[in-house]
Amino acid sequence: DADVTQTPRNRITKTGKRIMLECSQTKGHDRMYWYRQDPGLGLRLIYYSFDVKDINKGEISDGYSVSRQAQAKFSLSLESAIPNQTALYFCATSGTQGRAFFGQGTRLTVV
Amino acid sequence: AQSVAQPEDQVNVAEGNPLTVKCTYSVSGNPYLFWYVQYPNRGLQFLLKYITGDNLVKGSYGFEAEFNKSQTSFHLKKPSALVSDSALYFCAVRDGGTGRRALTFGSGTRLQVQP
Repeated sequence: DADVTQTPRNRITKTGKRIMLECSQTKGHDRMYWYRQDPGLGLRLIYYSFDVKDINKGEISDGYSVSRQAQAKFSLSLESAIPNQTALYFCATSGTQGRAFFGQGTRLTVV
Repeated sequence: AQSVAQPEDQVNVAEGNPLTVKCTYSVSGNPYLFWYVQYPNRGLQFLLKYITGDNLVKGSYGFEAEFNKSQTSFHLKKPSALVSDSALYFCAVRDGGTGRRALTFGSGTRLQVQP
């Protein structure tokens, strides 16, 4: 079983719809992250959480929200999806030194 | 603030030749530096890291990286490239001076190894 599992792996949704991407991890780490990957832009940080009660905005948090339901679960929501949120989304987890373990990614298309 | 620059969008090298993928960084404190690789339709896989110690770090699949504090660089190297090394490579940094930071990634460099 993968250390970090993302669901769904692929999703097509319509503009204006609410969508949730889910992430769970079995590493036992407190720290979890959501990144977005766009061609030529690398990975950009959306939100991160250092424990269940600690949620922080990243560099591109507008239009997104998160929920840390448990140490092992961290979900990302798009309240009203728009086409420029079409991207590959990655969840990751890490220990205190920062080496991150990534999920397989969710390819989201907003039409 | 922390940042990473990967100045080359793509690097082309012939199989068997040495390869270098460049990375420079900026942090206020001591850098924690990482290299990841991404194959098509896959997540990111960890290659190696520098936290402290020897400036030459060895990692997975024969890759190594050299930390140069004066040039604020952390270039990825391999003595002899394989076609199977063709992938997208990301450099990442975290400021080690504070524990409350996430990794910042570069824009990525596509490595193409020709047979």
